[in-house]
Amino acid sequence: DAGITQSPRHKVTETGTPVTLRCHQTENHRYMYWYRQDPGHGLRLIHYSYGVKDTDKGEVSDGYSVSRSKTEDFLLTLESATSSQTSVYFCAISEGTGVDYNEQFFGPGTRLTVL
Amino acid sequence: QKEVEQNSGPLSVPEGAIASLNCTYSDRGSQSFFWYRQYSGKSPELIMSIYSNGDKEDGRFTAQLNKASQYVSLLIRDSQPSDSATYLCAPSGSARQLTFGSGTQLTVLP
Repeated sequence: DAGITQSPRHKVTETGTPVTLRCHQTENHRYMYWYRQDPGHGLRLIHYSYGVKDTDKGEVSDGYSVSRSKTEDFLLTLESATSSQTSVYFCAISEGTGVDYNEQFFGPGTRLTVL
Repeated sequence: QKEVEQNSGPLSVPEGAIASLNCTYSDRGSQSFFWYRQYSGKSPELIMSIYSNGDKEDGRFTAQLNKASQYVSLLIRDSQPSDSATYLCAPSGSARQLTFGSGTQLTVLP
């Protein structure tokens, strides 16, 4: 398995509170991604990073921010959580080079509930 | 809006049969195509990658790609109950991004 961990694995929080999810990789891959997965919507890209301090928005970035200060860590922050952000969040990594440059490998996920 | 459509499920097949999963995509610029398997409550797991038109076989799995028709499929031969999962199709897009279909839920009946 790709060396990807996510923390916390489960979190329950209240509307209006800030929440930070962490993704940590030991593969030294350049690209990192945050997705959310909801019934009926599949996996949707929130933000991604193509290097340290290099990030860009995905399909559903409103209400989320990210930071990447080290190759191995990619943080997702919900500045003020809302009930619509209740979801399962997955981190993924990709080497970004070579023949299989688009292959992405997923972390175990974080189940977030916003009450 | 780039779209990925997968055959609506759930799909049920008897053990030992061939399961056929289909996917169409709208982005003609897609160059690489991936199939992920996701067990309930787990994260997606990459099971097949295909980059060229034609067939690619890996064990009991065969991926088929037709870029002209914007169609990719996954065949699972000799289906086993352990193959019961949701299968996600993911063509590549721009900037090292993938676009995921909503998935097809497969159940293999013993």
